Amino acid sequence: QQNVQQSPESLIVPEGARTSLNCTFSDSASQYFWWYRQHSGKAPKALMSIFSNGEKEEGRFTIHLNKASLHFSLHIRDSQPSDSALYLCAVTGGGADRLTFGKGTQLIIQP
Amino acid sequence: EAAVTQSPRNKVAVTGGKVTLSCNQTNNHNNMYWYRQDTGHGLRLIHYSYGAGSTEKGDIPDGYKASRPSQENFSLILELATPSQTSVYFCASGDARGRTEVFFGKGTRLTVV
Repeated sequence: QQNVQQSPESLIVPEGARTSLNCTFSDSASQYFWWYRQHSGKAPKALMSIFSNGEKEEGRFTIHLNKASLHFSLHIRDSQPSDSALYLCAVTGGGADRLTFGKGTQLIIQP
Repeated sequence: EAAVTQSPRNKVAVTGGKVTLSCNQTNNHNNMYWYRQDTGHGLRLIHYSYGAGSTEKGDIPDGYKASRPSQENFSLILELATPSQTSVYFCASGDARGRTEVFFGKGTRLTVV
């Protein structure tokens, strides 16, 4: 059974700073790697995904994936108060047709 | 924008009673999922479905049943509700084995007293 772990559990960052969130997974056959963002009281919504080793950038957000290390990460530059949310990493693959989520990182951006 | 609608949005149930949570999607997705979200546990998969007539056990299926009578509808059934099932439940739909985005409903807050 896939085991997905996130760190840190919570993070407080000043506005304008760079933020890094981490995710590890246990199944080396995993294929698809996602970050979801959930604002308080709202539904989770997909933020970004990556399917092969390396880096992918979309605006202020960057994902790094290292399958050999069973690790991927999300980096946010120039963090904004609107980035404050619960960030959930999720993994699919190895024959399983569903997402397995980590427990989440609660991010607070202080103005 | 893909649409997943859950009902009811809030529910208070009595211990030992039967609860049915409903979900409807207009995305024409084959796969549908039921998750529960609790503080400190993230999103945990209860049941999922590959299409009408199919249901599969997720990671925490005990105490729950699921029903997928059509492509659009997926229900979660608690035959004998317990206080430990107090949680926020999310329905979601998706396709392509995780290669494309999974879309979530707004959630149902269930309290079992």
